[in-house]
Amino acid sequence: DAMVIQNPRYQVTQFGKPVTLSCSQTLNHNVMYWYQQKSSQAPKLLFHYYDKDFNNEADTPDNFQSRRPNTSFCFLDIRSPGLGDAAMYLCATSRAGGLPEQFFGPGTRLTVL
Amino acid sequence: RKEVEQDPGPFNVPEGATVAFNCTYSNSASQSFFWYRQDCRKEPKLLMSVYSSGNEDGRFTAQLNRASQYISLLIRDSKLSDSATYLCVVRTSGGSYIPTFGRGTSLIVHP
Repeated sequence: DAMVIQNPRYQVTQFGKPVTLSCSQTLNHNVMYWYQQKSSQAPKLLFHYYDKDFNNEADTPDNFQSRRPNTSFCFLDIRSPGLGDAAMYLCATSRAGGLPEQFFGPGTRLTVL
Repeated sequence: RKEVEQDPGPFNVPEGATVAFNCTYSNSASQSFFWYRQDCRKEPKLLMSVYSSGNEDGRFTAQLNRASQYISLLIRDSKLSDSATYLCVVRTSGGSYIPTFGRGTSLIVHP
């Protein structure tokens, strides 16, 4: 089945130790998104790619970086995780036109010790 | 004023009840509307797209009121399995691929 896959599902890191979260999709969608979601809050958009074009949200901290080496894969790098970065990180994809519903991966739950 | 507003709830209803949620949006240029369901510690999943004429899918009915700038979700004959958070999502133009999420409305269906 076409889908959005995220790895790992759970990530534990130490304060300040870099982590990389990965996302892959078999939907061949142009647009890929990274969201941060904390408990009882709406998903917060960090950045998105339209094909290779990278778009950073204005309030996304510099600590967060992303790479999209090809259509199928997208990575979220957290350079120096702080305690406040503990959250669920959701990857999503969508087509660029039509009725662009989003398809979400299962998320990576990040714990920072 | 937030772009997309939802009553966070929780809405506590007995099995079999009918429950309705509203979601208001501030940008009159909004064109695409969706309801997502999110279970605890899981990812959001599309429940319904919301069409201008309103649409129904089994026990679920979604409606759009452009004049008052809100969308609604009606759930009839609530099941225990309907317990979840319902997220309202709005896009500002037909070609825009950047959605705005509401914070969600929590529904708890009890026996």
